Amino acid sequence: DVKVTQSSRYLVKRTGEKVFLECVQDMDHENMFWYRQDPGLGLRLIYFSYDVKMKEKGDIPEGYSVSREKKERFSLILESASTNQTSMYLCASSPSGSLSYEQYFGPGTRLTVT
Amino acid sequence: AQSVTQLDSQVPVFEEAPVELRCNYSSSVSVYLFWYVQYPNQGLQLLLKYLSGSTLVESINGFEAEFNKSQTSFHLRKPSVHISDTAEYFCAVSPLNRDDKIIFGKGTRLHILP
Repeated sequence: DVKVTQSSRYLVKRTGEKVFLECVQDMDHENMFWYRQDPGLGLRLIYFSYDVKMKEKGDIPEGYSVSREKKERFSLILESASTNQTSMYLCASSPSGSLSYEQYFGPGTRLTVT
Repeated sequence: AQSVTQLDSQVPVFEEAPVELRCNYSSSVSVYLFWYVQYPNQGLQLLLKYLSGSTLVESINGFEAEFNKSQTSFHLRKPSVHISDTAEYFCAVSPLNRDDKIIFGKGTRLHILP
């Protein structure tokens, strides 16, 4: 089975801190995604990557950056956390080539910025 | 571009009663269709998918969805719900044979009443 793991289930950070969210997948998937999930808004795509060192902006990239140095790992970085970034963050991966294929999700990181 | 609409944000239903969660999509090309489920405090899991072939697809836990091309719908149904079905359900669409991302609906929260 595909396994996608995220470094923390719950995280509390202060405004202005730099925050790293880590995601690792064990199925050699090319594509990886970061979403945030907020009540009533569903999933919104922040960034995605279709290969090592490649990244593309999603629908809401402002205030975030990403890093993909190895195929299995995709990191989301909040350069200076703000209270409006309090949310559930979900990482996902999908197999080769097409971005259209089904995605496999991690358990999520609930981030609170105070 | 594709879009997906889940018509109900919340659906309350009594245990052992039938349920239908509605999903409509818009696309200028043929699509793949998915239903994902998110149990409390977990990530999303794929429930079922339509790629091609039979328009009726089933999951292992008794859910089914029918692809209706003329009505551009992919409603999710279960004849008798259980308390363990309490979750949020997301419909998703992606274009067939194109390098484009999956688009998720805003989700429908299913409340099972005792």
